[in-house]
Amino acid sequence: KQEVTQIPAALSVPEGENLVLNCSFTDSAIYNLQWFRQDHGKGLTSLLLIQSSQREQTSGRLNASLDKSSGRSTLYIAASQPGDSATYLCAVGDTRGTPLVFGKGTRLSVIA
Amino acid sequence: EPEVTQTPSHQVTQMGQEVILRCVPISNHLYFYWYRQILGQKVEFLVSFYNNEISEKSEIFDDQFSVERPDGSNFTLKIRSTKLEDSAMYFCASSDRTRRDTQYFGPGTRLTVL
Repeated sequence: KQEVTQIPAALSVPEGENLVLNCSFTDSAIYNLQWFRQDHGKGLTSLLLIQSSQREQTSGRLNASLDKSSGRSTLYIAASQPGDSATYLCAVGDTRGTPLVFGKGTRLSVIA
Repeated sequence: EPEVTQTPSHQVTQMGQEVILRCVPISNHLYFYWYRQILGQKVEFLVSFYNNEISEKSEIFDDQFSVERPDGSNFTLKIRSTKLEDSAMYFCASSDRTRRDTQYFGPGTRLTVL
């Protein structure tokens, strides 16, 4: 059974810092991996999706990498801003169209 | 940009009552999902739906739950007799196989069972 773990559970950084959020999964036979942002008490906003054949995806200040063989993904946020404060969730899909398995998330606070 | 919508945003109900949560997926999407998130816990999969039938369901999705696509746009989750432990945020998601399976989530319905 796939398990997804995110470390750290919470992170507080000053504005302008670059930071890395970590995600690990137990079964490396994944189809894709998706990073989401969740503002407190709100819905999930898809940030990046990486297919199993890809190594990384970029969107603006965000860069997600995938190392399938070691069961790890990282989300890199450059030049963090207070507006980046949210919980970041990692989720994996084992095959096409199958439900996502989520990690518990990393709660990020960017201090102005 | 098209988005998934959900109604109501917040539903309060008494234990034992039936509730129906509604979702309008993105119009050209073919796969539909319900997930839930109990406060402070992980987002958990409930059920997926494709071609007018359930394609997969989790052990959470017992006989108290049902899903329907009553027309070409709505996708509903019904809980027949709510329990206190059903209190959670319920998310609907949809995906389009031609866009590499990115799942787009709605804003959620917060269900409170008293």
